[in-house]
Amino acid sequence: AQTVTQSQPEMSVQEAETVTLSCTYDTSENNYYLFWYKQPPSRQMILVIRQEAYKQQNATENRFSVNFQKAAKSFSLKISDSQLGDTAMYFCAFVPMYSGGGADGLTFGKGTHLIIQP
Amino acid sequence: EAGVAQSPRYKIIEKRQSVAFWCNPISGHATLYWYQQILGQGPKLLIQFQNNGVVDDSQLPKDRFSAERLKGVDSTLKIQPAKLEDSAVYLCASSLADRNYEQYFGPGTRLTVT
Repeated sequence: AQTVTQSQPEMSVQEAETVTLSCTYDTSENNYYLFWYKQPPSRQMILVIRQEAYKQQNATENRFSVNFQKAAKSFSLKISDSQLGDTAMYFCAFVPMYSGGGADGLTFGKGTHLIIQP
Repeated sequence: EAGVAQSPRYKIIEKRQSVAFWCNPISGHATLYWYQQILGQGPKLLIQFQNNGVVDDSQLPKDRFSAERLKGVDSTLKIQPAKLEDSAVYLCASSLADRNYEQYFGPGTRLTVT
């Protein structure tokens, strides 16, 4: 079974600052994907960024980037030049990939409430 | 392309009543997931369908929860009878059969049990 741990229940930063959200996970699988999802008050889960475990290069999407440390099982999200619209719950999530096919649901952490102050 | 549709958006019921939620996945998506998100927690997978067959329902409380996906398209999730602890947001997601790393979520149904 997989577990995902987010140790920061809430974070608050000023607009335009850089913020890093932490995530650790535990798994015995070698191939998997890691995700950061954003959930604003509307409840819609929005994919922010995805990392494939077999890729050493850290994923980047505009102002969002990750620091993926496979050996340490760590997957942090960095948001640069934070904006008011970044205020939301952020969830770290995991899904294994099986060579023989098959599919699993996502395993989520408990989330970090990020507040961007004007 | 239309996204995942869910209804209703909100539902308030009394304990011991029954309730049903509906989900329409993205066209062509063979895999459908139901997640339960209790306030202050991340979503937890309840059940996963591949076409109209159940792939994983290990975390579904089968004494009160049931789900079906007739014809491999729409799905309904039912709770009967509801308990106070069932108050949560119920999220539906879908993906192509071999791309579970690209799950698309619906807007969710917020259930309040009083």
